[in-house]
Amino acid sequence: KNQVEQSPQSLIILEGKNCTLQCNYTVSPFSNLRWYKQDTGRGPVSLTIMTFSENTKSNGRYTATLDADTKQSSLHITASQLSDSASYICVVSSTDSWGKFQFGAGTQVVVTP
Amino acid sequence: EAQVTQNPRYLITVTGKKLTVTCSQNMNHEYMSWYRQDPGLGLRQIYYSMNVEVTDKGDVPEGYKVSRKEKRNFPLILESPSPNQTSLYFCASARGTALNEQYFGPGTRLTVT
Repeated sequence: KNQVEQSPQSLIILEGKNCTLQCNYTVSPFSNLRWYKQDTGRGPVSLTIMTFSENTKSNGRYTATLDADTKQSSLHITASQLSDSASYICVVSSTDSWGKFQFGAGTQVVVTP
Repeated sequence: EAQVTQNPRYLITVTGKKLTVTCSQNMNHEYMSWYRQDPGLGLRQIYYSMNVEVTDKGDVPEGYKVSRKEKRNFPLILESPSPNQTSLYFCASARGTALNEQYFGPGTRLTVT
């Protein structure tokens, strides 16, 4: 069973609207959680990295939240643009195994004009 | 320009014919890793290396070999490729692992017939 689950699998939003993506994980003991953006046919690009003690981190119009108690994270996209169309991937690592990463299957976001 | 390069970008081969996918980074990063990405499964880690001469298995190492003789290079070797290794492969590097972002290469699309 995947230790990182993302929802929804996909969503379509209108340009200019906001959206929120969810990530639930069971990885333990927790080290950090990352969000990546992956354009079709390209390698993932890092958006945010959060540790246990951080509950919010922003990168431009992207804001990630983390609740380490409930093992949940979200990625909020504000005022979406056509260039936000991509897959967004949640990645979690454990303090038990430095160097190993568990990836979610991603949420495919399509922004329409 | 700081980057991770992979070669070849596209490869079609036949079952059992040994192949090597090269990965090189010019950022003097200690950490390097290989992933495969399959539809619906997301990225899965194959092998990773914390530094020269140090490699460890990820979640799906069967059928693959790696070596890290130099800091900048981390080749992925398929000694006897099989059709179930048809996938999109990504190499990544980072300056350490704890809280440093990974930089991904452009990907290698491998088809084994």
